[in-house]
Amino acid sequence: GAVVSQHPSRVICKSGTSVKIECRSLDFQATTMFWYRQFPKKSLMLMATSNEGSKATYEQGVEKDKFLINHASLTLSTLTVTSAHPEDSSFYICSAPDRVNYGYTFGSGTRLTVV
Amino acid sequence: AQSVTQPDIHITVSEGASLELRCNYSYGATPYLFWYVQSPGQGLQLLLKYFSGDTLVQGIKGFEAEFKRSQSSFNLRKPSVHWSDAAEYFCAVGDNGFNKFYFGSGTKLNVKP
Repeated sequence: GAVVSQHPSRVICKSGTSVKIECRSLDFQATTMFWYRQFPKKSLMLMATSNEGSKATYEQGVEKDKFLINHASLTLSTLTVTSAHPEDSSFYICSAPDRVNYGYTFGSGTRLTVV
Repeated sequence: AQSVTQPDIHITVSEGASLELRCNYSYGATPYLFWYVQSPGQGLQLLLKYFSGDTLVQGIKGFEAEFKRSQSSFNLRKPSVHWSDAAEYFCAVGDNGFNKFYFGSGTKLNVKP
């Protein structure tokens, strides 16, 4: 079945630095990628939807300049957390529609800790 | 706009008892509905999904869910809960164009021995 590989699984960075999270579709073309953020003991909040070759669509309240999303190819979408602060610490997950199997494939998630 | 509501934040059941987790959705057309389970510190595992056809859907681990259009519900059920079922359960709704995909707030299931 469709697989999305997400890296890194864990990252610790210093305040003020930027962190890039990658999601790759391994055996299918992901024209769309959803990016979620999950706070501890909370649900997954949809942050943005990226579409290959076009600008991402951000949900209300999500800072576009803070969370940069790039979807330059059919197999790679990236989320860059810029000038990270401790409040950006969270679990980030990507997901791509699997149109063949009528479902969604999730990455394994990235635990970001900003110190 | 799509939305999904899980009214129960926490549920505790005894091992061997039956389980029902509630999910209500809001969507203009026929939604694509999903149930996922997440164990602590883990990713998401798909339990089952509904797109069309039979409104009673069977999933993995003995779970099932029933789509009731009149009630805008997609409740998850299991006849006999096992201790290993303790986890967080998320209902999710997507559109048929795969343009959006939203999660409910989740229900944490505790299982008493």
